[in-house]
Amino acid sequence: EDQVTQSPEALRLQEGESSSLNCSYTVSGLRGLFWYRQDPGKGPEFLFTLYSAGEEKEKERLKATLTKKESFLHITAPKPEDSATYLCAGGYQKVTFGIGTKLQVIP
Amino acid sequence: DVKVTQSSRYLVKRTGEKVFLECVQDMDHENMFWYRQDPGLGLRLIYFSYDVKMKEKGDIPEGYSVSREKKERFSLILESASTNQTSMYLCASRVGAGKLMNTEAFFGQGTRLTVV
Repeated sequence: EDQVTQSPEALRLQEGESSSLNCSYTVSGLRGLFWYRQDPGKGPEFLFTLYSAGEEKEKERLKATLTKKESFLHITAPKPEDSATYLCAGGYQKVTFGIGTKLQVIP
Repeated sequence: DVKVTQSSRYLVKRTGEKVFLECVQDMDHENMFWYRQDPGLGLRLIYFSYDVKMKEKGDIPEGYSVSREKKERFSLILESASTNQTSMYLCASRVGAGKLMNTEAFFGQGTRLTVV
């Protein structure tokens, strides 16, 4: 059975304090590893797709990386507006989502 | 921009009622999905459709059915609502055809359903 596990469940950072979110996966025949951002009461918003180990993608203060077993979402110098829940997902014919990491950035 | 629109943001229904949740996407996507999201359980797939009139069960289809009569519209039906179906329901559509999940999904804003 496919599994996607995210850690930590919650993370509190001071503004400007860089950190990383982890997503470990066991997905047979992974076709894509996806990162989403979800604000409270809203649907997830797509951030990145990674397809192969070694691949990296960046968007503003966020950088996603992929190995054969894990993906990391690095947040550099975060701002309060980066506060959200970050979801990781992956699959072959069905996408499995992690439960997410709730990030709070304090001014 | 891709837009996925769900018909209601909030719904309150009574136990035993038949409930319809509607979803429309405007980007001609082949694939559409219904998820429910609960604290501590994450997003769980209820049903998905990879073509008009085609549907497949996800992980938790019991108590639900779906309808896709037109490409842009995917409806979720709760045949007889129960309190354990109180949840956030999310519709999504995906670029690309077929069953291989190699492209990202675009989500609607969600429907918060409360069954009393």
